[in-house]
Amino acid sequence: GQNIDQPTEMTATEGAIVQINCTYQTSGFNGLFWYQQHAGEAPTFLSYNVLDGLEEKGRFSSFLSRSKGYSYLLLKELQMKDSASYLCAVRDSNYQLIWGAGTKLIIKP
Amino acid sequence: GAVVSQHPSWVICKSGTSVKIECRSLDFQATTMFWYRQFPKQSLMLMATSNEGSKATYEQGVEKDKFLINHASLTLSTLTVTSAHPEDSSFYICSARGGLDYEQYFGPGTRLTVT
Repeated sequence: GQNIDQPTEMTATEGAIVQINCTYQTSGFNGLFWYQQHAGEAPTFLSYNVLDGLEEKGRFSSFLSRSKGYSYLLLKELQMKDSASYLCAVRDSNYQLIWGAGTKLIIKP
Repeated sequence: GAVVSQHPSWVICKSGTSVKIECRSLDFQATTMFWYRQFPKQSLMLMATSNEGSKATYEQGVEKDKFLINHASLTLSTLTVTSAHPEDSSFYICSARGGLDYEQYFGPGTRLTVT
């Protein structure tokens, strides 16, 4: 079966750095996505990785290791507005998105 | 970037009635549209995938006679919740994918409350 695992909840302090991990087992791989979702809103795209390595975009970076079936989202200089759920999703061989359950990130002052 | 709209953004209906949700791709042609449902504090659950001009493919456990999906044009898909019940109350989100771009673009979601 297809499976994506990420922690249910994490807590971090404003101004700090947090890393949200995601491991996956899917039938085929055509890229991994990270989305941010604030409560009551639809997901918004954060990053896309299809090759191994680190993709940096401002305060957010995403890393992928295809051989390990592993990715992480790194958030730097945390702000209160970063409090949200972060969803990891993998596109399988049929180009369908397989979703993780999401990680709720709580930022404390 | 590509824009997807949904209408209405929220709706309250009485039990037993039907409600239609529209999903539109505003600046691109969506060959495939996806309908998701999300209950509070849970992740997205794919309900169905629809390709323009053909019948939708429903995920296991989703009643196709209850959740009617129409994708009659390259810019519009509709989801009709028939004979709604309180347990159908949820956040319904559509996404669209088009052409050579395999990215999915999400609509803002529709919050349905059935009383």
